[in-house]
Amino acid sequence: DSGVTQTPKHLITATGQRVTLRCSPRSGDLSVYWYQQSLDQGLQFLIQYYNGEERAKGNILERFSAQQFPDLHSELNLSSLELGDSALYFCASSVGPGHLIYGYTFGSGTRLTVV
Amino acid sequence: DAKTTQPNSMESNEEEPVHLPCNHSTISGTDYIHWYRQLPSQGPEYVIHGLTSNVNNRMASLAIAEDRKSSTLILHRATLRDAAVYYCILRAQGGSEKLVFGKGTKLTVNP
Repeated sequence: DSGVTQTPKHLITATGQRVTLRCSPRSGDLSVYWYQQSLDQGLQFLIQYYNGEERAKGNILERFSAQQFPDLHSELNLSSLELGDSALYFCASSVGPGHLIYGYTFGSGTRLTVV
Repeated sequence: DAKTTQPNSMESNEEEPVHLPCNHSTISGTDYIHWYRQLPSQGPEYVIHGLTSNVNNRMASLAIAEDRKSSTLILHRATLRDAAVYYCILRAQGGSEKLVFGKGTKLTVNP
């Protein structure tokens, strides 16, 4: 157990639907990062939150959104799902900005299958 | 962020040492060298990091060249559980906080 909890582990849904992925960061970590990993794209950064505020954005589609709540857990919302959104979605957490000597902790991911 | 170059794949035998190279010729003086690995069907896992000096921890050793343009992750005795994709990532002081993953090196460990 890495300390980062992601739910659900697996999700199968139809095209056009909306899903929510949840992430609880490691205790004490204030930053949360979301990554998408598909077979042909590798690990792609989507978005980062720090202490409830959006801090950095990657190649996140407009159909996707995220937020970080006061208890620091984060949710990634994916809407109008397409077949190409099928991927592993990972959440990672870290202490916060400037702490280069600390590693990031990743969760075990949510496998999303869009049919 | 400065770029890193790693071999696509490497192979090793169980219980033998493995040296995974990483080139980072455009590294700046304040860039930290981080290594992560991703086991099959799991999230990436932090392995080790360093700035200038060689580093050891329970998982691996990191040897950094004197000019810092390259580094080597050393697994002293590879086990089957070390089969993974290994990523070498540079992190800059004051730079982007996100980890940028390249393709990494896929390590195969033969029994």
